[in-house]
Amino acid sequence: EAQVTQNPRYLITVTGKKLTVTCSQNMNHEYMSWYRQDPGLGLRQIYYSMNVEVTDKGDVPEGYKVSRKEKRNFPLILESPSPNQTSLYFCASSPSMGGRNEQFFGPGTRLTVL
Amino acid sequence: DAKTTQPNSMESNEEEPVHLPCNHSTISGTDYIHWYRQLPSQGPEYVIHGLTSNVNNRMASLAIAEDRKSSTLILHRATLRDAAVYYCILRDALYSGGGADGLTFGKGTHLIIQP
Repeated sequence: EAQVTQNPRYLITVTGKKLTVTCSQNMNHEYMSWYRQDPGLGLRQIYYSMNVEVTDKGDVPEGYKVSRKEKRNFPLILESPSPNQTSLYFCASSPSMGGRNEQFFGPGTRLTVL
Repeated sequence: DAKTTQPNSMESNEEEPVHLPCNHSTISGTDYIHWYRQLPSQGPEYVIHGLTSNVNNRMASLAIAEDRKSSTLILHRATLRDAAVYYCILRDALYSGGGADGLTFGKGTHLIIQP
């Protein structure tokens, strides 16, 4: 089944403890992206990747890192999480950039930073 | 991406057709019209997209006005599982990088389905 998977689905952590949220897609998509969703603010893009080893900042990249060493995986790294990074995070993938293609979303990771 | 305008909420009865409108008067010639929906506690789900011609798929139909300044998502026979927030989004086919390119989800239309 074609899908985007994220792990973990739920995470409670403390301020400053490094964490990684994994994202993997099995559709051989070139484009992957991370979003966060907060009440009243909609979805906001954190980082995206056009292809392996190519990443770029989205609207809210501060406090996050990403890497794209292989096509299927696009992990989101929080080096020193803070309470304002408590949010619902979604990973998405698409065959390529631009409007010709739809984006496929993962199920989400709910992160709480105490 | 150009802006879209949708009603905050709509209500329909189960097993009846639903027409969800979207206005996008500043659409450019290379903008695709995308629709996504988000069910409670789930990730956004792609519904349909198109450029100029009307489109059909297993989930819905997309009717695009001749001047492309508006479009309508049509759910032919709504079920309770269609209750969700529906987002109309414009995406430039020619975007090639150099800044945030994410889907800009506005407030969308909250679709309520009555049994």
